[in-house]
Amino acid sequence: NAGVTQTPKFRILKIGQSMTLQCAQDMNHNYMYWYRQDPGMGLKLIYYSVGAGITDKGEVPNGYNVSRSTTEDFPLRLELAAPSQTSVYFCASSGQGLRSSGNTIYFGEGSWLTVV
Amino acid sequence: GIQVEQSPPDLILQEGANSTLRCNFSDSVNNLQWFHQNPWGQLINLFYIPSGTKQNGRLSATTVATERYSLLYISSSQTTDSGVYFCAASQGTASKLTFGTGTRLQVTL
Repeated sequence: NAGVTQTPKFRILKIGQSMTLQCAQDMNHNYMYWYRQDPGMGLKLIYYSVGAGITDKGEVPNGYNVSRSTTEDFPLRLELAAPSQTSVYFCASSGQGLRSSGNTIYFGEGSWLTVV
Repeated sequence: GIQVEQSPPDLILQEGANSTLRCNFSDSVNNLQWFHQNPWGQLINLFYIPSGTKQNGRLSATTVATERYSLLYISSSQTTDSGVYFCAASQGTASKLTFGTGTRLQVTL
């Protein structure tokens, strides 16, 4: 019962470093998303994908890049990390597929990122 | 884009009490969902409810799409209900959800 799996769960980065947050889903969903959640706030959409090879910007895309080479995987790349990118990052998926239907969105457990 | 507002921002209940959480949205939507974020940060989908009423155990939700609001009812609250409840909405085919800032619920013994 894996669902949406994110790695790593915790990471500390120095200013200017780069890293990739990994996300994989096993529900054969066509839609995938990356959100960030700042302390005490709701989630904001960074990027999303409607299928393999197709990605688009969300509300807060600056400083991030994504790719979607397969249906299952949707990695998020942080280039030149800045303190403003300290946040909790959630990957999610939705769509008609295994163990799910329609527009219900399923979240991973989150990745806690601190930039110092 | 859509604006989503939730009220109240904070709520403290004694175990066994009932509560109603409200979500207002600024435009017509075809996707509205309620989530519970537990104290460990995990987000659990409670309801997909762009219109109508649904019930799941002690929780129920109603969305009145024409008046642009949704309500989440929690009956006979338990300490495990503590956490933050988010409402999120979107238009279009993908679930590009806009989240409210949440209602933080604390249930005490």
